[in-house]
Amino acid sequence: RKEVEQDPGPFNVPEGATVAFNCTYSNSASQSFFWYRQDCRKEPKLLMSVYSSGNEDGRFTAQLNRASQYISLLIRDSKLSDSATYLCVVTVPSASKIIFGSGTRLSIRP
Amino acid sequence: NAGVTQTPKFQVLKTGQSMTLQCAQDMNHEYMSWYRQDPGMGLRLIHYSVGAGITDQGEVPNGYNVSRSTTEDFPLRLLSAAPSQTSVYFCASSYSRGQDTFGSGTRLTVV
Repeated sequence: RKEVEQDPGPFNVPEGATVAFNCTYSNSASQSFFWYRQDCRKEPKLLMSVYSSGNEDGRFTAQLNRASQYISLLIRDSKLSDSATYLCVVTVPSASKIIFGSGTRLSIRP
Repeated sequence: NAGVTQTPKFQVLKTGQSMTLQCAQDMNHEYMSWYRQDPGMGLRLIHYSVGAGITDQGEVPNGYNVSRSTTEDFPLRLLSAAPSQTSVYFCASSYSRGQDTFGSGTRLTVV
C-alpha cells in the first residue's frame, strides 16, 4: 500500500462547477500537509498548506482530517485555468520523509 | 530574483556515462532537495540537504551523489548512468520542509 494515495482521475468537470478530491495517508506520525499543482510538462508549484483548522484561499479550500487520515481540496467556481494535476504532499519529520502523492488530474471543460 | 535554476533542461546519456545536474537558488533557503518524477509514481526524493555541508539520503539515493559546499548550489551527480535513471529530475529549495520552490526540471534519457 502506498503511503500517500490519490485518485488519479481524470476529473472532467464543466467551468463553474465545484470539484473536490481527497488524499489519504497511512503514517499517523505525518505532521505537515500541502497541495501543489503541476501543469503538463512543468514543475510543481505550491498551492496551499493544509492546517488542522482548515484554510481557504480564494476559491480553494483545504481541510485535514487527522482521525481518518486524509486531506481534501475543494475548488469552487472552477476556471479553465484550473486544469492541472494536483499533488498532495505529506511530511513525516520523525522519519525524515517527504512523500508526494501521484496526483489527481483535473480537466475543466468550457 | 531567479528562484531555482536547473541546468541542463534536456540530456541524453549513454549507459555508463556520468554527468552532473546543476542546481542553484538565490532565495537563501537552507533546505534543498533533488527529486525524480516517473509516470504514475509521483515525485520521489533522491537526496536532500538541510544546510551547507550537510546532506542526507532520500527514498531513492542509489546511483546518485550530492554535495552542498555553499547555501546556493546543490549539484546532483549520476555516477554511471543506467536506463532505469531515465526520468525527469527536479531540484527544489525551501525555508521549511514541504514548502518547496522547484526548478523547471531536467529531462534525462539514458540509452
